[in-house]
Amino acid sequence: SQTIHQWPATLVQPVGSPLSLECTVEGTSNPNLYWYRQAAGRGLQLLFYSVGIGQISSEVPQNLSASRPQDRQFILSSKKLLLSDSGFYLCAWSVVSGEKLFFGSGTQLSVL
Amino acid sequence: GQSLEQPSEVTAVEGAIVQINCTYQTSGFYGLSWYQQHDGGAPTFLSYNGLDGLEETGRFSSFLSRSDSYGYLLLQELQMKDSASYFCAVTPGNYQLIWGAGTKLIIKP
Repeated sequence: SQTIHQWPATLVQPVGSPLSLECTVEGTSNPNLYWYRQAAGRGLQLLFYSVGIGQISSEVPQNLSASRPQDRQFILSSKKLLLSDSGFYLCAWSVVSGEKLFFGSGTQLSVL
Repeated sequence: GQSLEQPSEVTAVEGAIVQINCTYQTSGFYGLSWYQQHDGGAPTFLSYNGLDGLEETGRFSSFLSRSDSYGYLLLQELQMKDSASYFCAVTPGNYQLIWGAGTKLIIKP
């Protein structure tokens, strides 16, 4: 069966520090991968999408970047965090683009 | 623009039936999905409607009318554990999902 792992679960970082969140999927090949951000009590905002290794689509211009170095690995990064980067970050995968997404457990990021 | 409308909050009684509506305006349409999210947790997939009609999965059913750009999620025999936020989302035809803002379902004993 397929599983998705996302870590860490919580993270507190100072403004201006770097960020690296990692997500891996097991039990499937060539998944569509997504990074979302969710503000408290709000809906989901798509940050990045990937259909394959090295293929990244960015939805929101900001100081975040994503990389997909391996088929089932998706990494969200920042060189310098801003206060506005705080939020709940979710990694997800799907077999069919835009349908039936399976989410990781999320990372609650607080930038102070 | 593209938008989905769903009520911000719905209250129901344990054991009852509740319907959460979703209307959408998108440039394309492939299907309507529903996700459940408990406080502090990640969204979990509930259902997907690509064609008009009713899809049933246990206590949950989802309906779609493409001509009305409308769908709903029906929850029967409500249990306290169903207290959560429910999101509708439209697949417009590319990799995106257009998400509603979510409906918080409050269940009273």
